[in-house]
Amino acid sequence: QVQLVESGGGLVKPGGSLTLSCAASGFIFRDYDMSWVRQVPGRGLQCISDISRGSNNVLYDDSVRGRFTISRDFAKNSLYLQLSGLTDEDTGVYYCARHGSERALDLWGQGTTVTVSS
Amino acid sequence: EEVMRQSPATLSVLPGERATLSCRASQSVSSNLAWFQLKRGQAPTLLIYNASTRATETSLRFSGGGSGTDFTLTITTLQSEDSAVYYCQQYDYWPYTFGQGTKLEIK
Repeated sequence: QVQLVESGGGLVKPGGSLTLSCAASGFIFRDYDMSWVRQVPGRGLQCISDISRGSNNVLYDDSVRGRFTISRDFAKNSLYLQLSGLTDEDTGVYYCARHGSERALDLWGQGTTVTVSS
Repeated sequence: EEVMRQSPATLSVLPGERATLSCRASQSVSSNLAWFQLKRGQAPTLLIYNASTRATETSLRFSGGGSGTDFTLTITTLQSEDSAVYYCQQYDYWPYTFGQGTKLEIK
């Protein structure tokens, strides 16, 4: 079954850290660029990070650059997002998504929820 | 950063009717525009990419149009299952930005 399954979300205090994981299955993971997209209450959907199929090109939105790190493990068919320096503005649902051949995000996971609160 | 504006914010229509959703970019994104359907508790679904190409499992009732800065998503013969929030997204250049969404309600 072609799918993405996120995990690792939870409740974290301001300034804290968290690592999100996304397990890919049913397709050749190394053939696709991948993204992390979040849905923040009141702010809609936001593409926050992107990584090329070879991991040689990574992109970050200004709102997370320097605090979040994207990576991927081909042996584990997994995508990761390390979050640090968290603020309440980082609260939301985090989705991993796959870029199809035409660049559009053609496969999404169900999301994992991150709540930043003291 | 490319700003994407969607209208209307909310659309309420009867079953069997047609709905037209709009998306406008602050500058040209060529045809690098996608439409997504988001239902509560479910993974977002790609409906349309390259402004007018249906994704593999997208119903023929969904059609996309436009290029440059102005785009539309049209849904014909509306059904209760079409109730969702619809987002447009440009992927012409980073950061790939979304509109704020149109909530479609089927009366």
